[in-house]
Amino acid sequence: GENVEQHPSTLSVQEGDSAVIKCTYSDSASNYFPWYKQELGKRPQLIIDIRSNVGEKKDQRIAVTLNKTAKHFSLHITETQPEDSAVYFCAASMTGGYQKVTFGTGTKLQVIP
Amino acid sequence: DAGVIQSPRHEVTEMGQEVTLRCKPISGHDYLFWYRQTMMRGLELLIYFNNNVPIDDSGMPEDRFSAKMPNASFSTLKIQPSEPRDSAVYFCASSLALAGGELFFGEGSRLTVL
Repeated sequence: GENVEQHPSTLSVQEGDSAVIKCTYSDSASNYFPWYKQELGKRPQLIIDIRSNVGEKKDQRIAVTLNKTAKHFSLHITETQPEDSAVYFCAASMTGGYQKVTFGTGTKLQVIP
Repeated sequence: DAGVIQSPRHEVTEMGQEVTLRCKPISGHDYLFWYRQTMMRGLELLIYFNNNVPIDDSGMPEDRFSAKMPNASFSTLKIQPSEPRDSAVYFCASSLALAGGELFFGEGSRLTVL
């Protein structure tokens, strides 16, 4: 089955700096890579996703990049703000057929004001 | 739509007791998932259903865990008997069949087994 590794497990940045979270996956058939944000005591929520036919996707201050050859993808947050503090989970799955999403172990991001 | 609704939000019980967690998915979603979240293991998929049929229960830790989905608007996760190591936050999530896989999570049920 799919295995997703995520690094780092914790990340502290100063407000205004950038943050980068990296993930690798094992199953070359995976073609859908979502990122979820979970604030303290809240539910995980999708913030951005990327499909394997795209190398990069941006949405305001967040961007994801995908390298299919190397089987890794990354989340980039620019101009970090205190409200970005949360646990971020990467995931991998295949679209079509039966969906099964495999999550990474999470990165706790702390943005220091 | 009110989103995925879970109950109870918090449950404290004693070891050996039966625990039932409930979930109402978003109307029209064909997939329903049960996840367990702990500090040690992160988000673990326990089981998921497609059109009320269990598709993959390989994540269910042992026979003490069971899940049902009697209709499209209701699912339960039961633990009998419960043990302290079952303490975790249990999330239910639902998704559309062909929506690219976005999962809509409920608020979670925090279970504490003493």
